[in-house]
Amino acid sequence: DARVTQTPRHKVTEMGQEVTMRCQPILGHNTVFWYRQTMMQGLELLAYFRNRAPLDDSGMPKDRFSAEMPDATLATLKIQPSEPRDSAVYFCASGLLDRRAQETQYFGPGTRLLVL
Amino acid sequence: DQQVKQNSPSLSVQEGRISILNCDYTNSMFDYFLWYKKYPAEGPTFLISISSIKDKNEDGRFTVFLNKSAKHLSLHIVPSQPGDSAVYFCAASVRGAGSYQLTFGKGTKLSVIP
Repeated sequence: DARVTQTPRHKVTEMGQEVTMRCQPILGHNTVFWYRQTMMQGLELLAYFRNRAPLDDSGMPKDRFSAEMPDATLATLKIQPSEPRDSAVYFCASGLLDRRAQETQYFGPGTRLLVL
Repeated sequence: DQQVKQNSPSLSVQEGRISILNCDYTNSMFDYFLWYKKYPAEGPTFLISISSIKDKNEDGRFTVFLNKSAKHLSLHIVPSQPGDSAVYFCAASVRGAGSYQLTFGKGTKLSVIP
């Protein structure tokens, strides 16, 4: 049963600390998405990669957030320095773009981040 | 500016009856629409989708209807079951432009009462 995995599931940190969230996409999927869910904004796209290349990170605050895919099995989202307003649930999703140009995104369980 | 809107934050339905979840969008470029279901402490899971060339897509108890002129879509669940209790997200994308980014609504929490 292939699944997207995310670590850690929960993270509590103090303002100013660095936070790193990790995602393992489903093997063989060629796109990876990072979303943030808050009560006020709902699910917002932060960044996405296709074949490990960043395609769009316009939803991400560039001064403190960074997203990378060091290899096909790992995507990371870093916040440095973290702020209380970054408190949210961060989801990673992966998908496979097929020849019919169809894609379904499969979500991980999320990382619940609390910045004090 | 929210491009995908789910105006009902919550909905309660009796088991066995029909659940109708609504979604409106403002971007006329959207050409592909999806519904995701989310249980607490889990990520959203794909439920059903519809292309803008269709006005209806059915999968078992789930049917999605699309009214392009009204920029409105709805998800019908018949019959509703207690296990359907979850938050339902409507999402849209502009596939014709080669983009697979999803724009989500804020979700509707469905409670199916036994």
